[in-house]
Amino acid sequence: DAGVIQSPRHEVTEMGQEVTLRCKPISGHNSLFWYRQTMMRGLELLIYFNNNVPIDDSGMPEDRFSAKMPNASFSTLKIQPSEPRDSAVYFCASSLGLAGDTQYFGPGTRLTVL
Amino acid sequence: AQTVTQSQPEMSVQEAETVTLSCTYDTSESDYYLFWYKQPPSRQMILVIRQEAYKQQNATENRFSVNFQKAAKSFSLKISDSQLGDAAMYFCAYRTPLSGNTPLVFGKGTRLSVIA
Repeated sequence: DAGVIQSPRHEVTEMGQEVTLRCKPISGHNSLFWYRQTMMRGLELLIYFNNNVPIDDSGMPEDRFSAKMPNASFSTLKIQPSEPRDSAVYFCASSLGLAGDTQYFGPGTRLTVL
Repeated sequence: AQTVTQSQPEMSVQEAETVTLSCTYDTSESDYYLFWYKQPPSRQMILVIRQEAYKQQNATENRFSVNFQKAAKSFSLKISDSQLGDAAMYFCAYRTPLSGNTPLVFGKGTRLSVIA
């Protein structure tokens, strides 16, 4: 299995630009999670999906952030417009969808907004 | 809301020695799951070990074991025979066993250095 795939691995953009992060979960996994990691706040949940349906987006910082999961094998996290404080590592994780099962993380996308 | 606290921002250990990383959590629930994840410099998050709260037996994975004290809400990780490859950030995480799937709540992490 290829594991969770994220692209791009690194993204450098200028303030005000639109940024789209992509994630392909492990085949057969029903749950997908987007986390953000910063020095100040550590690892925090942004949003998660069960069976392609958003369940909890309370961690999304503001309206500039949006996430979609059009099918079981693809999700996007979009930031528009981006700001320097959005600079962070963004992780996607997936799991089977059973209570308490293991979440498998992608390699993360390091986003730098200048 | 559940919280996870790792009180040791940094730890160091001599190669081949044993080190224990601390984790405490706060919850009002009786059933949940606890995890330790390792994040090496590559930043990949790797599951080290997991524990179900309803199991009294402490989980063990090769050189890694936990000391789970449910009443004290404590979940420490012991690494035996430390190796240079163990150097990484270690995150303790909590998860509730609600129906369907739920996100992880992470501690701030402990940076472990291994001294040759």
